[in-house]
Amino acid sequence: GAVVSQHPSWVICKSGTSVKIECRSLDFQATTMFWYRQFPKQSLMLMATSNEGSKATYEQGVEKDKFLINHASLTLSTLTVTSAHPEDSSFYICSARDGTVATNEKLFFGSGTQLSVL
Amino acid sequence: GENVEQHPSTLSVQEGDSAVIKCTYSDSASNYFPWYKQELGKRPQLIIDIRSNVGEKKDQRIAVTLNKTAKHFSLHITETQPEDSAVYFCAASNTNSGYSTLTFGKGTMLLVSP
Repeated sequence: GAVVSQHPSWVICKSGTSVKIECRSLDFQATTMFWYRQFPKQSLMLMATSNEGSKATYEQGVEKDKFLINHASLTLSTLTVTSAHPEDSSFYICSARDGTVATNEKLFFGSGTQLSVL
Repeated sequence: GENVEQHPSTLSVQEGDSAVIKCTYSDSASNYFPWYKQELGKRPQLIIDIRSNVGEKKDQRIAVTLNKTAKHFSLHITETQPEDSAVYFCAASNTNSGYSTLTFGKGTMLLVSP
């Protein structure tokens, strides 16, 4: 299946700093990528949908100025957590669809990023 | 929007037994239903999916059934093995609605005891 690479796998930062997470589709073009947040023992909560070449669409309750998303190419989307605070500590995971296949609904996930804000 | 309910939240079985996880969805327009397996600290892996034009799909020890009228779908794992232990998520989406976001259930932690 398609491979989605996500980096870093874990990051520890001080409160008030910004953290950038990268999500790459390695062997396919992803016109759309999705960013999720997952708390321990909980489900995947969609944060935003990242569309190549346009502004991201954020879910209700997600601050777009705090979670900056850039999808500048067909293989790369980034999520930047700005001015991180301890409550932002979580597992962030991206997913992507193969945009070259019109009927392909399958989503492939990155390996996730565990963010710990001190 | 779509709402997906998943039961049970935890499921313990003995090795060799069958395991069944059930999900219901609210949006009758949803037409794609994947199941993901997530091991601790790992990415969710797609294990099987079904589309609304099919009532059942099987892949070795894993099967999924769909009842569109009742708006529920189930995952069946036969001859369970310890390596099946993980959290399983069901999801639903309407692939006719543009970029087809997935709505996930809350997950089922499956524990298979040797």
